[in-house]
Amino acid sequence: ETGVTQSPTHLIKTRGQQVTLRCSSQSGHNTVSWYQQALGQGPQFIFQYYREEENGRGNFPPRFSGLQFPNYSSELNVNALELDDSALYLCASRTGGREGQFFGPGTRLTVL
Amino acid sequence: DAKTTQPPSMDCAEGRAANLPCNHSTISGNEYVYWYRQIHSQGPQYIIHGLKNNETNEMASLIITEDRKSSTLILPHATLRDTAVYYCIVRDSLSGSARQLTFGSGTQLTVLP
Repeated sequence: ETGVTQSPTHLIKTRGQQVTLRCSSQSGHNTVSWYQQALGQGPQFIFQYYREEENGRGNFPPRFSGLQFPNYSSELNVNALELDDSALYLCASRTGGREGQFFGPGTRLTVL
Repeated sequence: DAKTTQPPSMDCAEGRAANLPCNHSTISGNEYVYWYRQIHSQGPQYIIHGLKNNETNEMASLIITEDRKSSTLILPHATLRDTAVYYCIVRDSLSGSARQLTFGSGTQLTVLP
C-alpha cells in the first residue's frame, strides 16, 4: 500500500502566474483535502473533494480551485499568484469513515 | 467544531513518558478528539482519535476525561524522533459533512537527550 504522494516537491513562481499542484491519494481513499500552511502556522483548510465533487471549502478565494479524478488523484490550481500564496501545500486523503486523514509530504511553493 | 487549547511548548527527557494536555471545554456529544503531529517540514501525521473511552495504539495512548472537556496524549517512551508539533483537534465526525481539520497552534514537544 502506497501512501499519499505529492508533486512537485518545490516550486518557484512569480506573482501573477498560475500553478498546478498534484496529489496521489492513498490506495482505497475516496476523499481528498487540500491545506495551506504558512511558515510558523498550522495548516489551513482550502477545500475537500469526494467522488470528484467539491463538498467543502475554507476561507479561500475562487482563484484556488481543484479537481479530483476517477482514480482519486487530485489537483490544486492557483491563479493570479500573490506573494502571500507562498506556503507549504498539503494534500490529505481518507476513506469515508471516522479514521484520521493521511497527509502527503507537501509542495513548497515560493512566489517571488 | 469546538476550539482547543494547548500549551505552546513542552520538553521531555528521552525514554520518559510525554504527556501532552488539551482542553476542549466546549466539545459537544458527537465530536471526536483527534491528535496529529508534524515533524519539521513534513506533512502532519495522524496519531490517534477517540470519542469518550480511552484509546491506545502502537504510537500512543489517549486519555479523555469523563466530562470530555480535556484529554491527554501519552507517548509512553519518548525518543528524539518524537520531537514535533502536536495538534489536538476536535471535530464533528458525522458522515456526509465536509469534515475538514481545523488546526490550532499546537504544542511544540522537544525530546531532550
